[in-house]
Amino acid sequence: GQNIDQPTEMTATEGAIVQINCTYQTSGFNGLFWYQQHAGEAPTFLSYNVLDGLEEKGRFSSFLSRSKGYSYLLLKELQMKDSASYLCAVTPGGFKTIFGAGTRLFVKA
Amino acid sequence: DVKVTQSSRYLVKRTGEKVFLECVQDMDHENMFWYRQDPGLGLRLIYFSYDVKMKEKGDIPEGYSVSREKKERFSLILESASTNQTSMYLCASGASGAGEQYFGPGTRLTVT
Repeated sequence: GQNIDQPTEMTATEGAIVQINCTYQTSGFNGLFWYQQHAGEAPTFLSYNVLDGLEEKGRFSSFLSRSKGYSYLLLKELQMKDSASYLCAVTPGGFKTIFGAGTRLFVKA
Repeated sequence: DVKVTQSSRYLVKRTGEKVFLECVQDMDHENMFWYRQDPGLGLRLIYFSYDVKMKEKGDIPEGYSVSREKKERFSLILESASTNQTSMYLCASGASGAGEQYFGPGTRLTVT
């Protein structure tokens, strides 16, 4: 089967750094995505990894290890507006994308 | 900016009714998708389309059908709504290949 695992909830403090982990087991691998979803809103694209290593984009970075089936999203200098769900998603091949259940991040003052 | 719109934000229907959910994108994307999102289950793919009049079943197509007569429009049809189809429905579009997807605001459907 195809499976993506990520923690259900995390809490962090404003200004801190938080790492959200994602492990996946899929029949193939064409890329890994991270999306942000605020409550009641649509998911929005954050990052894409297809090769091993770290991709940095402002306060957000995403890491991929294909051999370990592992990724993480790193959020630096946390702000209250970062309180949201973060969805890890993998494209095994073709047009389909498989989504994890999401990690709900709470940022406290 | 890419814009994906959905016909309704909230919808309440009765069991057995036929339900139409419409999705329109303005970026000339080839691919369009319908997902449902339920707590603890994440997004699950119902159907997708990679071209006009082309459709493929996703992971949970039972009880649903789709229509794509024009490139910009992808409709999801619940032939006979049931209470277990109460959910948030999200439409998405994407360029060719398996790249990032752009989501609409979602339709929260309640079937009573």
